[in-house]
Amino acid sequence: QKEVEQNSGPLSVPEGAIASLNCTYSDRGSQSFFWYRQYSGKSPELIMSIYSNGDKEDGRFTAQLNKASQYVSLLIRDSQPSDSATYLCAARNSGYSTLTFGKGTMLLVSP
Amino acid sequence: EAQVTQNPRYLITVTGKKLTVTCSQNMNHEYMSWYRQDPGLGLRQIYYSMNVEVTDKGDVPEGYKVSRKEKRNFPLILESPSPNQTSLYFCASSSRGGGSTDTQYFGPGTRLTVL
Repeated sequence: QKEVEQNSGPLSVPEGAIASLNCTYSDRGSQSFFWYRQYSGKSPELIMSIYSNGDKEDGRFTAQLNKASQYVSLLIRDSQPSDSATYLCAARNSGYSTLTFGKGTMLLVSP
Repeated sequence: EAQVTQNPRYLITVTGKKLTVTCSQNMNHEYMSWYRQDPGLGLRQIYYSMNVEVTDKGDVPEGYKVSRKEKRNFPLILESPSPNQTSLYFCASSSRGGGSTDTQYFGPGTRLTVL
C-alpha cells in the first residue's frame, strides 16, 4: 500500500526563521511530488512540485527530493505568521493521476 | 477565471435522504477526483475519473456513487447518507489524465453533516 508519512506537528517557529517540513514515501515507483498548503477549513493550494532529485526554489520556498532515501522536504525561509497552516505532502506514480497524500504537518509561525 | 466549483458549500441532512454534491471545472481537464477529509485521517480519495464515462474507485468508495457524463462535471452522489459520511469533501481536477506532472486544482470544499 502506498503511504506518505508526515509528522503531524505542530511545528512552531518564530517569525523570520526557516521552517523545515519533512515527508517520506513508501512507493519507490513515485515520480512526482507536491507540497500543498491548507488553511483551516479551506481547500489545499499547490505551493511546489518537484520531479527530479535535488533542490527546487521558488521565492521563499525550496523543495528537496531524495529518491534514494524516499524523502521530500519543504523549506520556508523568512517564515511569516501568514505561513501558519497545514502543509500536505503528496506523491504520484507516473502513468497515474492519483495523488497519495500525507496527513499533513501543522506549522505555527509566531510573531 | 480558471476554477473548480462545488455546490452546495454547506449541507446538513438526515440519515437516508439521498443527496448530490455537484462539481464543475472550466479548465477542460480530463481528470477529476473526489476526496473526503477528516481530522486525523487526512485527505482520502473516494472516486476518480480519467475522462468522460471512465470512473474508478479510490480508497474509500463505499456509500458513494459518481458519474461523468460531461467533461466539466463530476457529481458525487450519496444514495443513503449515514452519520459516518459527515465530512469535508473536496473535488479536484487536473489536465492530461495519466500524466505524472499534472497540477491538481481543488474546489472550495463542501462541509456535509448527516444527522
